[in-house]
Amino acid sequence: AQKVTQAQTEISVVEKEDVTLDCVYETRDTTYYLFWYKQPPSGELVFLIRRNSFDEQNEISGRYSWNFQKSTSSFNFTITASQVVDSAVYFCALHNAGNMLTFGGGTRLMVKP
Amino acid sequence: DAGVIQSPRHEVTEMGQEVTLRCKPISGHDYLFWYRQTMMRGLELLIYFNNNVPIDDSGMPEDRFSAKMPNASFSTLKIQPSEPRDSAVYFCASSRSKRYEQYFGPGTRLTVT
Repeated sequence: AQKVTQAQTEISVVEKEDVTLDCVYETRDTTYYLFWYKQPPSGELVFLIRRNSFDEQNEISGRYSWNFQKSTSSFNFTITASQVVDSAVYFCALHNAGNMLTFGGGTRLMVKP
Repeated sequence: DAGVIQSPRHEVTEMGQEVTLRCKPISGHDYLFWYRQTMMRGLELLIYFNNNVPIDDSGMPEDRFSAKMPNASFSTLKIQPSEPRDSAVYFCASSRSKRYEQYFGPGTRLTVT
């Protein structure tokens, strides 16, 4: 069985603060894929990043960065210098062999001006 | 490129009525997924298709739900008869492969009164 846990249900920050969203996963497979999605207030789910289990390099895309650590089964997401437009629900998800995408419960991020 | 298209965006119906949700996946994507999102249960995979063939429908709640994919560019999710507990946002998503990122449509917000 596979499981994704996002322990932070809600985070509130003030604009320009850095914020890290935690994601911890469980799987018995050695090959798997991790994803982050963003769901803004408008409701659509937007794909942010995909990572395979063999690539532990951190990734940076503008103000977004991801830290993948197999040793702790974590795939954390950091937003640097947060903006009001970053306010959304963020989902971490896991795919492994024989299973479909399993989503975490999501973290609601509120960025206040 | 056009993304995943869903219609209608909003549907309000009375209990007992038939509801049909429609989805057009991204051209060239071989996988199509139907999800349901509620506050209580989060994102749930209902069914997915590969090359128009239903592969796993274990997430379909009960016999009142059915899904079809008559061709590569169209799928429907039907609820008959609908019940108030079916009220949710229904998402359609498509991907090139099970391991690749899924691209979601804007969702259909269904309200059954």
